[in-house]
Amino acid sequence: DADVTQTPRNRITKTGKRIMLECSQTKGHDRMYWYRQDPGLGLRLIYYSFDVKDINKGEISDGYSVSRQAQAKFSLSLESAIPNQTALYFCATSDTGGAYQETQYFGPGTRLLVL
Amino acid sequence: GQNIDQPTEMTATEGAIVQINCTYQTSGFNGLFWYQQHAGEAPTFLSYNVLDGLEEKGRFSSFLSRSKGYSYLLLKELQMKDSASYLCAVRPPNGYNKLIFGAGTRLAVHP
Repeated sequence: DADVTQTPRNRITKTGKRIMLECSQTKGHDRMYWYRQDPGLGLRLIYYSFDVKDINKGEISDGYSVSRQAQAKFSLSLESAIPNQTALYFCATSDTGGAYQETQYFGPGTRLLVL
Repeated sequence: GQNIDQPTEMTATEGAIVQINCTYQTSGFNGLFWYQQHAGEAPTFLSYNVLDGLEEKGRFSSFLSRSKGYSYLLLKELQMKDSASYLCAVRPPNGYNKLIFGAGTRLAVHP
């Protein structure tokens, strides 16, 4: 089984709709992240969470919100979707554990199309 | 400001060696990562450098020069499956493990 899972894998929605993307992990990591990827722009951080009570905005948080329901679950919501939110969305996790490297491990991605 | 530069595309021949460069200008430095990403798939971790020098891991090696703001990923004995994008990411020293990613280099390996 995959360590980091995302649902749905693909989603088509209409402008103005509210949608939620979900991320679950079985790695036991404390830290979780949401990124979006656009062609030619690389991965950009939307939100990150270092534990259930810690939520932080990334570089492009406008139009998005998140919820950390448990250590293993981190959801991303688009309150009112707009076409320029069409992108590939990735969830990632990392372990504090005293390991200074703190590699981030990515889920399989959710491809979102906003019409 | 924060800026990471990588070539957009590269091509190479199966069995050859290719070097993918990454230059960065960031407000501080606390490590550099290389990821591999096949089209439509998740990025997967390749290597990590925090001190100057070369880190070797099988066919892949990564080099870092902090004074020059420069890293490269070296791929040896190229295989067709190495056709992918290679992402360079820098971690600033703000204690939050946030990564700044370059746009990635798309490598095409030809027979």
